[in-house]
Formats: sequence, structure tokens, C-alpha cells
Amino acid sequence: DTGVSQDPRHKITKRGQNVTFRCDPISEHNRLYWYRQTLGQGPEFLTYFQNEAQLEKSRLLSDRFSAERPKGSFSTLEIQRTEQGDSAMYLCASSPTWTEAGNTEAFFGQGTRLTVV
Amino acid sequence: AQSVTQLGSHVSVSEGALVLLRCNYSSSVPPYLFWYVQYPNQGLQLLLKYTSAATLVKGINGFEAEFKKSETSFHLTKPSAHMSDAAEYFCAVSVNTGGFKTIFGAGTRLFVKA
Repeated sequence: DTGVSQDPRHKITKRGQNVTFRCDPISEHNRLYWYRQTLGQGPEFLTYFQNEAQLEKSRLLSDRFSAERPKGSFSTLEIQRTEQGDSAMYLCASSPTWTEAGNTEAFFGQGTRLTVV
Repeated sequence: AQSVTQLGSHVSVSEGALVLLRCNYSSSVPPYLFWYVQYPNQGLQLLLKYTSAATLVKGINGFEAEFKKSETSFHLTKPSAHMSDAAEYFCAVSVNTGGFKTIFGAGTRLFVKA
């Protein structure tokens, strides 16, 4: 299976701890996105990369959040000093460069569910 | 800015009945529109997409959606519901303006009664 892979699937952490999530996109996709989804809501955009460049960050991405994609392949999302409000599903998605051929959709991983206790 | 409104956070239908999930969008430029489905503790799976070709779009699992520019709508339908259709459905919009991100609606949970 060559879909988007996220690790870990589940993470329970104590408030104040740092956590890091990993996303491996589909190999030929140069765009990578992070979303956050809380219970009963749709995914909210956090940030997006074109290759290794982080091109856009949502205001939802506070100073405690940082994302990297150092070699334009996998990406990591780190949350420092976690708070209970950070509890959510963190979704990663990837897509090829936009083309008029219709390759417009993002392909999603299964997410990392974070619980902060 | 783009936005999506899904009318009805919960929809309940009987097995075999018509499924209609409503979505209205707002966009200042021609949009690309999507419907995704999400099963519990899973990621999102694309059902179908509108990319400015045919206004009636057919997707997987018997779903289809019609783009109506005059109504700024992109409602999802299926003629006959199956128990396996019970899930959360998200309408989404994106535009090609240099940057690219997908904006999602709040979702509609579909319940299918036997």
C-alpha cells in the first residue's frame, strides 16, 4: 500500500509534555498538509508544504506548534508543552502539484489521535 | 475567502431510501468541490470531486453530486441507502490561487435505519 502513512496512530500524553508526529506522504506527491480535527467538527487547516518549503500557516498554529519537512519527503509536527485543548485527531494529507488535468484532491492518512491528560 | 456550510449535522434515512446531504459553498473564484467520507477513527476518503467539467459528478459507492453555480450548492445524493453508508460526510472547497488548501464543512453524520 503506497498511501499516506502516519505514526503513531494514537498518543496519550500528560499535559506539559512535548509530542511529535510523523507523516510519510505518497512518494510522488510534493505537497503535504496538516489538519486538526476535533470531535464533531470538520478538519481545520494547519499548514502546508511545497517540497521542503512551508508556504502557509494557519493562525491556529500557535507558537507551541512547529512543522518541518526537511528533505521534501516525510514531515513532522511537534507540539510543545501540550494542553488539554490540543486533544484532537491530527490528519496529514498529500497531493501532487496542481494541474489542470484534475489532480486536485488531497489524499489523507488515517490520522494520529492525541489525548492530553 | 472560501467557506462551506453543510446543512444538518445529522441525517437519518431508512435502508433503501434516498440519501440527500446538503452543501453550500462560498468562493470569490471558480471553486473545486469535493465530498469526503470518514468512518470512525479513520482518515478521509474521497467520494467525488467537481473540477469545472461536467456539473453532475458521479463518485464511488453509487454517490453523485450536482454543481449548481446559481445556488452555490453541491448536494450529495444516493438513490438507495445501504447500512454500510453510515458514516460522517464532509463537503470541501479549494481554489487554485497560488497557494492551495482545502476548506471543510463541519460534516453531516448519516444514520441508516434497518
